[in-house]
Amino acid sequence: QQQVKQSPQSLIVQKGGISIINCAYENTAFDYFPWYQQFPGKGPALLIAIRPDVSEKKEGRFTISFNKSAKQFSLHIMDSQPGDSATYFCAAVGNAGNMLTFGGGTRLMVKP
Amino acid sequence: NAGVTQTPKFQVLKTGQSMTLQCAQDMNHEYMSWYRQDPGMGLRLIHYSVGAGITDQGEVPNGYNVSRSTTEDFPLRLLSAAPSQTSVYFCASSYASGSGVTQYFGPGTRLLVL
Repeated sequence: QQQVKQSPQSLIVQKGGISIINCAYENTAFDYFPWYQQFPGKGPALLIAIRPDVSEKKEGRFTISFNKSAKQFSLHIMDSQPGDSATYFCAAVGNAGNMLTFGGGTRLMVKP
Repeated sequence: NAGVTQTPKFQVLKTGQSMTLQCAQDMNHEYMSWYRQDPGMGLRLIHYSVGAGITDQGEVPNGYNVSRSTTEDFPLRLLSAAPSQTSVYFCASSYASGSGVTQYFGPGTRLLVL
């Protein structure tokens, strides 16, 4: 049973467009929600993260929107670039000794 | 700072063989963990450690053992390899601060079990 559900599994966006990836969680004990970016052959790397006491966090072209009542959060990539092509994972932390529970991942392709 | 290092990068095993995946970090992090990555399944936690001498099971621990004798090293042992253990394995170390948990991943070990 996946505690963090991520959609879509794959996404194709034109250069300059907006990429949107959604995640939903079940465990209300989660209190920290990071997003990781993974390029082929590499380990995931922290991209941006949010706590549930704010509804939005922006870092450059990347924005997390958080809806605590719906237990949902999403990643928006504005002005998507071919270099953003990667697999993105949402995650949640709140139990198991600071360990992360990951969503299933979204493979993003940005076409030039 | 090498960060998190993993060896080997790639390994082929026959069913029933055993092996140890090595993981080391030089950031003096207390928390270390092992994940496996399978298509469509994201990263699933195998085992984790909150400090030297302390380990615990994650979501998918069967068939794997860990130990943590030092802060730096966290090896993962496959006791008797099975084709279902074909996967990419990632080791990570992390620290917690007031702003949240920052986890650093190694480059991964790709394992094929025949």
